Amino acid sequence: EPEVTQTPSHQVTQMGQEVILRCVPISNHLYFYWYRQILGQKVEFLVSFYNNEISEKSEIFDDQFSVERPDGSNFTLKIRSTKLEDSAMYFCASSSTMAETQYFGPGTRLLVL
Amino acid sequence: LAKTTQPISMDSYEGQEVNITCSHNNIATNDYITWYQQFPSQGPRFIIQGYKTKVTNEVASLFIPADRKSSTLSLPRVSLSDTAVYYCLVVEYGNKLVFGAGTILRVKS
Repeated sequence: EPEVTQTPSHQVTQMGQEVILRCVPISNHLYFYWYRQILGQKVEFLVSFYNNEISEKSEIFDDQFSVERPDGSNFTLKIRSTKLEDSAMYFCASSSTMAETQYFGPGTRLLVL
Repeated sequence: LAKTTQPISMDSYEGQEVNITCSHNNIATNDYITWYQQFPSQGPRFIIQGYKTKVTNEVASLFIPADRKSSTLSLPRVSLSDTAVYYCLVVEYGNKLVFGAGTILRVKS
């Protein structure tokens, strides 16, 4: 069964450093998403992406965040200058159409020191 | 976005049927109901989705009454591995997923 994959599974970084989280969505999916979950809290929407453009973004997704689909398979989330409060699990999701089920990856645990 | 309300936690024993009810009083005509499961430190996993009446798949059933103001996820014969957080979401066509706190299901032996 096809699945969303994410790398790395864990990332530790120093405050102020840039991080890039990588996702490989399911191959025939066209809609891509990033969510995050701070430890013990709810899963929160960050951004949705379709046709090489951001479709929607939340208040969390400020100028420090960016997304990119650099090639036909990868979908990345970049945090330019990490803050302590960026520590969270980051989940990538994809769906085949706008109305179809979103399938989530296993997540990247980001720890900012 | 329609708000959902579900129990904070539920306990069950192996082999029992578990029903988790979610209320969504202000669900809109275009909204559909989706349930996800999440294990600790893992991504949410899609369980089932429906618009009205009953939907069944290999892992669960979803019952939605005619007024669609609530829905019930039914897990037949749970096992210890079904211990997880279960999220009820009301999703507008093409919209982002808005997760609540979910229901922590604990299955005991």
